[in-house]
Amino acid sequence: DAGVTQSPTHLIKTRGQQVTLRCSPKSGHDTVSWYQQALGQGPQFIFQYYEEEERQRGNFPDRFSGHQFPNYSSELNVNALLLGDSALYLCASSPDHNEQFFGPGTRLTVL
Amino acid sequence: QKEVEQDPGPLSVPEGAIVSLNCTYSNSAFQYFMWYRQYSRKGPELLMYTYSSGNKEDGRFTAQVDKSSKYISLFIRDSQPSDSATYLCAMSDTNSGNTPLVFGKGTRLSVIA
Repeated sequence: DAGVTQSPTHLIKTRGQQVTLRCSPKSGHDTVSWYQQALGQGPQFIFQYYEEEERQRGNFPDRFSGHQFPNYSSELNVNALLLGDSALYLCASSPDHNEQFFGPGTRLTVL
Repeated sequence: QKEVEQDPGPLSVPEGAIVSLNCTYSNSAFQYFMWYRQYSRKGPELLMYTYSSGNKEDGRFTAQVDKSSKYISLFIRDSQPSDSATYLCAMSDTNSGNTPLVFGKGTRLSVIA
């Protein structure tokens, strides 16, 4: 059983560009959460998707948006990239209990 | 004041030592407490998951929660070089995969052979 997978592994963008990150949850998991982990910091919650709807959102601007597909996979989109958006973006999937399984992350560098 | 405080270290110990990692928190609504291990450039891996106050043991790892003091600990016995990683505490107020986790900054641990 494959765990949570994310793509791409890493990418480099310039300020003002837009980026899309992808996540496939563990088999049987219907909830996907996205976290941002800046260097030297713990992960911070961005938002969560369930049944193709954004169910909860952390303290992130509207430049951060997402989507969940019928197969539960998810995308994170960031518009108008800022230097401060450089971070490891983590996807976590979960079933109904509290054990969230994290993927390996996508490392985004904004120049 | 951040919701969850964790000393970032780095912490360096000799192989075989007992390691103590700690977090404090301010939100008394937190009831579920987790410890994740994160190797360099990897995603966090769940190590321990506890509810409310008390102890939980799993092999060389013991998690302790003291809700009255808003203090949680992770002990690693007989530490190994393979334990070298960043350890993140995380917590939430409900037992549901739908709940955002609140993390500490993480403590970087090095176990020297």
